[in-house]
Amino acid sequence: DTEVTQTPKHLVMGMTNKKSLKCEQHMGHRAMYWYKQKAKKPPELMFVYSYEKLSINESVPSRFSPECPNSSLLNLHLHALQPEDSALYLCASSQVSSGDSEQYFGPGTRLTVT
Amino acid sequence: GNSVTQMEGPVTLSEEAFLTINCTYTATGYPSLFWYVQYPGEGLQLLLKATKADDKGSNKGFEATYRKETTSFHLEKGSVQVSDSAVYFCALSDRTSGTYKYIFGTGTRLKVLA
Repeated sequence: DTEVTQTPKHLVMGMTNKKSLKCEQHMGHRAMYWYKQKAKKPPELMFVYSYEKLSINESVPSRFSPECPNSSLLNLHLHALQPEDSALYLCASSQVSSGDSEQYFGPGTRLTVT
Repeated sequence: GNSVTQMEGPVTLSEEAFLTINCTYTATGYPSLFWYVQYPGEGLQLLLKATKADDKGSNKGFEATYRKETTSFHLEKGSVQVSDSAVYFCALSDRTSGTYKYIFGTGTRLKVLA
């Protein structure tokens, strides 16, 4: 199984809502990633977890809060978002965080903030 | 810092034409290099990778050779199909505080006409 799953597929939320994005993999990978992708742009890294510990936070605003409850699961909690946060949110995983590890991406959650 | 430069798109080709998408990089050391493809409405999929100089990555008819002397990793395919229409991202693996992350190029959109 080389699949990364993400739920929900689409999410529309108001600026005062709280919601969560979920990502799951069962490949035994120990590194997991959150990316934000705007239209016609490359993915921008937000967070990296390595062995369930947060190892990179790319100066992401605190309205985005990541959580890695176990080695298979990665959540992104959303609160008080702005319309400019509307984007495709991609999750990825790799065996470990190493120079030659390839990342496996999920299909993404399309987020619209109204 | 490390960076990746890709040729501007979109690239429009007729079916069975030869494809080249240029990618050059700036890096200290010798990072691993990757090509990812993103089909409309989907996440990214690894196309191929190379981990050291003169390595050739290949997959599904696509090839790229890690050229240290020209700091390049150009993507080629001898005969493209309509189904190859997608956005292609070149990436290198960069190390920050002991954790690896991708640096992506801007992406090149390919459109193949029947």
